[in-house]
Amino acid sequence: GEDVEQSLFLSVREGDSSVINCTYTDSSSTYLYWYKQEPGAGLQLLTYIFSNMDMKQDQRLTVLLNKKDKHLSLRIADTQTGDSAIYFCAGGEYSSASKIIFGSGTRLSIRP
Amino acid sequence: GAGVSQTPSNKVTEKGKYVELRCDPISGHTALYWYRQSLGQGPEFLIYFQGTGAADDSGLPNDRFFAVRPEGSVSTLKIQRTERGDSAVYLCASSPGTGKTEAFFGQGTRLTVV
Repeated sequence: GEDVEQSLFLSVREGDSSVINCTYTDSSSTYLYWYKQEPGAGLQLLTYIFSNMDMKQDQRLTVLLNKKDKHLSLRIADTQTGDSAIYFCAGGEYSSASKIIFGSGTRLSIRP
Repeated sequence: GAGVSQTPSNKVTEKGKYVELRCDPISGHTALYWYRQSLGQGPEFLIYFQGTGAADDSGLPNDRFFAVRPEGSVSTLKIQRTERGDSAVYLCASSPGTGKTEAFFGQGTRLTVV
C-alpha cells in the first residue's frame, strides 16, 4: 500500500519561503494533496496536483512533483505567522474507492 | 449545513463501554470517509462509503469497529468494548463522489477512553 513520509519540523523566518517535502511510494497515486491543520481546527485542503503535472501554482503556493523520484514539495512564498500549522502530504487514486493516505505531517513554525 | 458536521465534539468513556460517533456530510456528497488521528500522527484511513455501501473497510483495525450509512447520508462509527488505545480524534470527510478531488473534513470527535 501507499506510504507517505515527511520531515517532522520546519522553522522559517517570517517573510522567507518555506519548502515542505514529501516522498511517497505508490506510483498509482493519481492525486497528490497538501492539507493544512491548525490547532483546534479541521483539516483544510490547500491544493492538489494531478500525477501528470510537474508543477502547480496557486497564489503564494507552488507545488512541485517529481514522479520519477516520487517526491512532492510545497513552497509557501512570503511566509506569514498565519501559516503556522501542521502540513500533511497525502496521495489518492482516481477510482471509485479513492481513500487518501496521509503522511505524519510537518509542523511549520515561523520565527519573527 | 455548509460543512461536514461531527457529533459529539468530545466524548469521554470508560474502558469496555460502547460508543457511537456521528457524521453529517455535506448535502449531496456521495462519498464519505472515516479517519482516526492519534496525537502527533497523520490521519489514518478507516473506512470509505460510496452511497450506502462500504466500498473499502480495509482500515478498520478489528471487529470492534463498525460503521454504517443506511440512507447514503449520515454515517455512524460504532466502537464496541472500547480500549484505552482507541483514544484519538475521529475525523469524517465527504466528497462529491467518484473522480472528484476534494474531500472536506469535519472538526472531528475527540474520543478519550479512561
